[in-house]
Amino acid sequence: AQRVTQPEKLLSVFKGAPVELKCNYSYSGSPELFWYVQYSRQRLQLLLRHISRESIKGFTADLNKGETSFHLKKPFAQEEDSAMYYCALKPSGTYKYIFGTGTRLKVLA
Amino acid sequence: SQTIHQWPATLVQPVGSPLSLECTVEGTSNPNLYWYRQAAGRGLQLLFYSVGIGQISSEVPQNLSASRPQDRQFILSSKKLLLSDSGFYLCAWTRGPGELFFGEGSRLTVL
Repeated sequence: AQRVTQPEKLLSVFKGAPVELKCNYSYSGSPELFWYVQYSRQRLQLLLRHISRESIKGFTADLNKGETSFHLKKPFAQEEDSAMYYCALKPSGTYKYIFGTGTRLKVLA
Repeated sequence: SQTIHQWPATLVQPVGSPLSLECTVEGTSNPNLYWYRQAAGRGLQLLFYSVGIGQISSEVPQNLSASRPQDRQFILSSKKLLLSDSGFYLCAWTRGPGELFFGEGSRLTVL
């Protein structure tokens, strides 16, 4: 079955510390993977996707097909990064977007 | 520019009553439309999606149904609400593969 796992419900780090939000997926084909973010009182929005290979707001994510992972990383966390983060998988040839359970990131001053 | 609207934003309904949540997209044509339920600890659960008028795919057997009477309109319904239907419902759209654009959500409380 196609599945996205985010093992951490809550991740607390201090400002300036590195951040890694974990995402593992279960899918045998070539996936499209995304990270979405929801800031307080805002809509859920796209942060980045693996095919773009971009760095958005200092965040990067690398697809590791061997480990079936797509972890989100940032070298120096900022307080404004505090939000709910969701990893999502779109199996190829489908219209479905499958989301994980989300990780709440809290960046402490 | 494209926009997505959901209403009502908040709804309190008794058990056994009907439900209708509406979602409308503006500024695009033939979007793919989605209904998700967001629950703490369970993340975003895909309920229904539609790739065209009258075409509905259901992901989770449940007490809900969806309809797409017009190209840019997506409706989530129930004939008789259950307590377990309480939650935060999100509508989203995309044009082809790529980014999902989400609405502001509708919070449903069933009493």
